[in-house]
Amino acid sequence: DVKVTQSSRYLVKRTGEKVFLECVQDMDHENMFWYRQDPGLGLRLIYFSYDVKMKEKGDIPEGYSVSREKKERFSLILESASTNQTSMYLCASSFPRTSRHVHNEQFFGPGTRLTVL
Amino acid sequence: DAKTTQPNSMESNEEEPVHLPCNHSTISGTDYIHWYRQLPSQGPEYVIHGLTSNVNNRMASLAIAEDRKSSTLILHRATLRDAAVYYCILRNTIQGAQKLVFGQGTRLTINP
Repeated sequence: DVKVTQSSRYLVKRTGEKVFLECVQDMDHENMFWYRQDPGLGLRLIYFSYDVKMKEKGDIPEGYSVSREKKERFSLILESASTNQTSMYLCASSFPRTSRHVHNEQFFGPGTRLTVL
Repeated sequence: DAKTTQPNSMESNEEEPVHLPCNHSTISGTDYIHWYRQLPSQGPEYVIHGLTSNVNNRMASLAIAEDRKSSTLILHRATLRDAAVYYCILRNTIQGAQKLVFGQGTRLTINP
């Protein structure tokens, strides 16, 4: 079974702190994604990566950066946390869309609920 | 990505069938219909997908209207563990978009 794990289920940080959210997948997926989920706004894509050291901005990248140094690991970084970044953060991974994986379903981790005070 | 419309919430009883509707009137010929669900305190998980023909798998069935402007996810015998938010998503497999665009979904409540 595919497994996507996230470093913490719950995290509390203070405004201005640097925050690292870690995600690891064990299926050798090339694609990895970071979403945030907020009531009334659904899931929104922050960043994604389609290969090691490659990254692409999603719909709401402001205030975030990412790092993909190894294929299995994708980190989301909040350089200076703010209260409006209090949210549920979800990591996902998938194969790239190819003739073999046309529908490249995404596999999600359990999420990290981040509270910024 | 084309838009989908789902009811905000639905309720059903345990061991009864559940039909979750989705409208997608602007669907294009190359859009596949995907369903994901999100159980409480978990990330979303894939349920099923289809293009034109009805589809079955171990989790559910997907019935697609002949004009493809709507579809229905069918849980044949709901259990309490099926209580979740169900998302209907259109994915264009030609344009290479990799992200999933989630709407608000339908919150399904199962009564014992």
